[in-house]
Amino acid sequence: ENVLTQSPGTLSLSPGERATLSCRTSQSIGSSSLAWYQQRPGQSPRLLIWGASRRATGIPDRFSGSGSGTDFTLTISRLEPEDLAVYYCQHYGSSPGTFGQGTKVEIK
Amino acid sequence: EVQLLESGGDLVQPGGSLRLACAASGFTFSDYGMNWVRQAPGKGLEWVSSISGIAGGGGTYYADSVKGRFTISRDNSDNTLHLQMNSLRAEDSAVYYCAKFGFGSNCNSAICYGNFDHWGQGTLVTVSS
Repeated sequence: ENVLTQSPGTLSLSPGERATLSCRTSQSIGSSSLAWYQQRPGQSPRLLIWGASRRATGIPDRFSGSGSGTDFTLTISRLEPEDLAVYYCQHYGSSPGTFGQGTKVEIK
Repeated sequence: EVQLLESGGDLVQPGGSLRLACAASGFTFSDYGMNWVRQAPGKGLEWVSSISGIAGGGGTYYADSVKGRFTISRDNSDNTLHLQMNSLRAEDSAVYYCAKFGFGSNCNSAICYGNFDHWGQGTLVTVSS
């Protein structure tokens, strides 16, 4: 079983700052089967990134994904207040989905 | 616009049964694999079950934690996804989301994997005496 570990657990930043979220997999997964989701308080998850770096429809370009092998990153270039959320990574290469435990982004 | 609307969540006693439904609209339902993903209160996301689209032969897949107790099905004539949940346990308590497979996904009778590009609002299942 591929285990996904996200860090940090919580990230507290000010509006306009850059957020860097990490997702590490216990087994190498190449470069195409990693997704990122945003879950705002009280809402359903929303797909941000798929294929490690491809933005989903309607996602602002301040969200970007990168990485390959076992190390993946979600970057929010300029934080906005509505980015307050928990962010989850997901590996989907060999099963419908294994999720990381999430990173909470707080806005100062 | 893709819309997914879950229903059927309720309070049920341990050992009981419940049937969830997800009404889909805004896309050709039969063409896409569909999923159930759950989230226990204050916890993360857990994939529960998947079913392929019509071209994938209707293959079904389950997480080990629900295998043998839950059954996923779909009715392509009325664009509805179902989850029959039997022998419910306290640890099954969660919000259950219906989710559609997105780009880069592949689900058929032999293999099933993918990301989830649209989610419903969720329905709450509470298992307690």
